This record gives sequence, structure tokens and C-alpha cells, in this order.
Amino acid sequence: DQQVKQNSPSLSVQEGRISILNCDYTNSMFDYFLWYKKYPAEGPTFLISISSIKDKNEDGRFTVFLNKSAKHLSLHIVPSQPGDSAVYFCAASGGGANSKLTFGKGITLSVRP
Amino acid sequence: NAGVTQTPKFRVLKTGQSMTLLCAQDMNHEYMYWYRQDPGMGLRLIHYSVGEGTTAKGEVPDGYNVSRLKKQNFLLGLESAAPSQTSVYFCASSYVRESPYEQYFGPGTRLTVT
Repeated sequence: DQQVKQNSPSLSVQEGRISILNCDYTNSMFDYFLWYKKYPAEGPTFLISISSIKDKNEDGRFTVFLNKSAKHLSLHIVPSQPGDSAVYFCAASGGGANSKLTFGKGITLSVRP
Repeated sequence: NAGVTQTPKFRVLKTGQSMTLLCAQDMNHEYMYWYRQDPGMGLRLIHYSVGEGTTAKGEVPDGYNVSRLKKQNFLLGLESAAPSQTSVYFCASSYVRESPYEQYFGPGTRLTVT
């Protein structure tokens, strides 16, 4: 049973527009959420995170929104750039002694010039 | 500061052969992890370690063994490789006492079992 779901396998947007990547989770014990970015033939790299006590976290062009009641989070990239083309993984953690991350299947983002 | 390194980068095995994947980190992280990534499956945790000398099973541990004899190294072993173990393997480490529980990943090992 998938606890972290990224239901859209791919997304294509025009350069300069907003990219919105969605993620849903089922485990109410998750209290920390992270987004990772992965280029081909490289390891995932951390992008941005959010604690369950917040509903928004911004870092430059990247903003993550968390809706706990809906068990939904989204990553907004504004403006999108061709270099943002990559696979994006949503991950969740129970925090504390449980440091394990549960990953979604990933979304492939393509930003068209 | 190399971060997380993995050896080898590529390997082809025949069914039944054994091999060990080596992960090393120079960040003095306590926690280390082994994942596999398969098309359409995301990253799945194989085994992890919360400190030197300790290991635990993750989501998909069958067919793999691990050892953490030194804090900086985490080894993943395949005793008798099977085609189902064809995958890209990633090692990661984290200093878990600090939020956001960020894990740092190595570049991956692409393993093909024929």
C-alpha cells in the first residue's frame, strides 16, 4: 500500500510559467515532508522541506504548500526554467526516532524553452 | 569533502554470482541507507543503519545483506544475484538529530543481472 502518492507521472510546462507538482499521503503519523530533485545518472538532491506545523515554506523560486486536513502537498516552481527539467520525488518522514523517508514514485517535469 | 561516494558505478553480474556495493560518507553522519530505484517504482528502502555495528531491514530487504563495521562505510551484499535485482542502487546518509531529516545521496550504482 503506497503511503506517498504522486499520481501524475509527468508534467510539461512552458519556460517562465508555473509548475505545480502534487503529492498525497495516507499516513497521518508523517510530520515532515521533503522534495528531492533527480537528474539522469545522478543521485537525488534535496530541494525543499516543510514541517507539519507549517502550511507553506519558500526558498527562492520554490514553494511547498501543505494541507494537512487533505493530506496533500504541492511544490510550486515559479518561474520554471529549462534546467528544472528532472524527476521530482516527494518524501515523508515520521520524524523523531523514525528517521526513515517514504518516497513517492516521482514526477518527470519537462520545461519547454 | 566528497559527500557520499559509491563503488562501483556500473556492474554486470550473472545469475547466482555475488558482489558487494560499497558506500562511504565523510560527513560524520550517524544514519546510512540503501535504496533501489526501479522504473515507475520510486525509491524503495532496502536496509538502513542507525549507527556503527547496527543494521535494520527496510521495505525490500530480501536477497540483500548489509554491514556497518565503520561509521563512514555501509556495505550492501548480494549473495546470489537474480535478474529481479537489476536496478539502480543509491546509498544515502543523514545526521538525523537535525531537522529536516535530510538525506544526502550518492551518485548510484547501476547493476544488471543477466
